[in-house]
Order: sequence, then structure tokens, then C-alpha cells
Amino acid sequence: AQSVTQLGSHVSVSEGALVLLRCNYSSSVPPYLFWYVQYPNQGLQLLLKYTTGATLVKGINGFEAEFKKSETSFHLTKPSAHMSDAAEYFCAVSEEGSGNTGKLIFGQGTTLQVKP
Amino acid sequence: DTGVSQDPRHKITKRGQNVTFRCDPISEHNRLYWYRQTLGQGPEFLTYFQNEAQLEKSRLLSDRFSAERPKGSFSTLEIQRTEQGDSAMYLCASSLVKRDRAFAEQFFGPGTRLTVL
Repeated sequence: AQSVTQLGSHVSVSEGALVLLRCNYSSSVPPYLFWYVQYPNQGLQLLLKYTTGATLVKGINGFEAEFKKSETSFHLTKPSAHMSDAAEYFCAVSEEGSGNTGKLIFGQGTTLQVKP
Repeated sequence: DTGVSQDPRHKITKRGQNVTFRCDPISEHNRLYWYRQTLGQGPEFLTYFQNEAQLEKSRLLSDRFSAERPKGSFSTLEIQRTEQGDSAMYLCASSLVKRDRAFAEQFFGPGTRLTVL
């Protein structure tokens, strides 16, 4: 069974500082990995995804994440935080391969606070 | 904008009442998913459709829950005899899965927030 663990339910950084949100996954098959962002009272927006190929993936709004199979991790980073980055972030995993359901298994989320 | 839409956005009901939510996916998307998100948690998969066929249901989906996608376009999620524990955000997502592709991005709607008093 697949699962996702996000370390730290709340992360606070100063504007301009590095953002690091941690995600570890468990999967018995090669995973597809995702980061989503959710603003208050809104649905989820895809930030970036890893399916195959390059393990360092770049997403929208300056975010990137690196798939490390040996560490079963997919941490999200951004070099310089902006006030508009304050939101809830979810890491998710899905199964690879044809015939898959595509259903997403989410972590519990990390709230990012950005201080001026 | 032709994104995923959900109606209503908010629903307040009394315990024991029935409620129905609607999801309109992106046009021509053949897959539709329902997720439930409780406060402070990530979304949890409930069920999904490939066209009009419901292919998988989570154990979270008790007998009081039923979902349909009669013509392979919009979908409805009904909860009968609501309980306070049903209070949550119900999210719908759609994707276009092609025969030769293993991955299809899911696009999420804004959700329906249900409060059961």
C-alpha cells in the first residue's frame, strides 16, 4: 500500500528565505509523485510532478523538488519565499503503469507561513 | 474558464437530512474522482469513474454514500442521513486518460464544504 508522510504540519519562514517542505513516501511500485498547493477555500493546484526521467523537477512559481529513490523522499524547495507563497501544501503519490486508477494518496499537509 | 466546477460551494444541513452535490468536469475528460478533505488533513480518495462506469470505491464510502455519472459527463454525490462526521470539504477532480498513456493530470474543482449541525 502506498502512503505519504509530510514532516512538519507547520513551517514558518521569513520573506526571502529558503523554503523546504519535506515529504517521504512508501510505494511497492515505481511511484508518480506530486506537490499541490491549496489556498483558503479553494481547490488544489498542481505545483509540479515527477513521473519518469530527470529526478529534479521544476514547477510553477519558482518551486522545485527532487526525487530521491534511495531516501524515498520528494522534498519541495524554493530559494526565496514570497508572501504570496503562504498556503497549504500537499505531497501526493500515485501508482505508475497502464491500467492504474490514477487515484492520489495525499499526505496530511504542511501549512507554510511567510513572515515579512 | 472551462475548469472543473462544483455546486454548491457551501452546504449547511441538519443531521439526518440528505444532501446532493454536483460536479461538472472539464469537457471531454473521461475520468472523474471524488475526494473528501477534513479539517487539517489531506484529501482522501472516495471513488472514481471512467466515463459512466464507477470502477473503484474506497472503504470510506459507507452505504449512505452514493455517486453517479449517468452520461459520462457531470457527476453527483449523495449522502443520505447525514451525520456530524460527514462534515468536510468534498473535492471533485477530472482527467483525460488516453490509451497509450499511464499518467493523466487531475484538475481539481473548488470543492463543496459541507457542515452538518
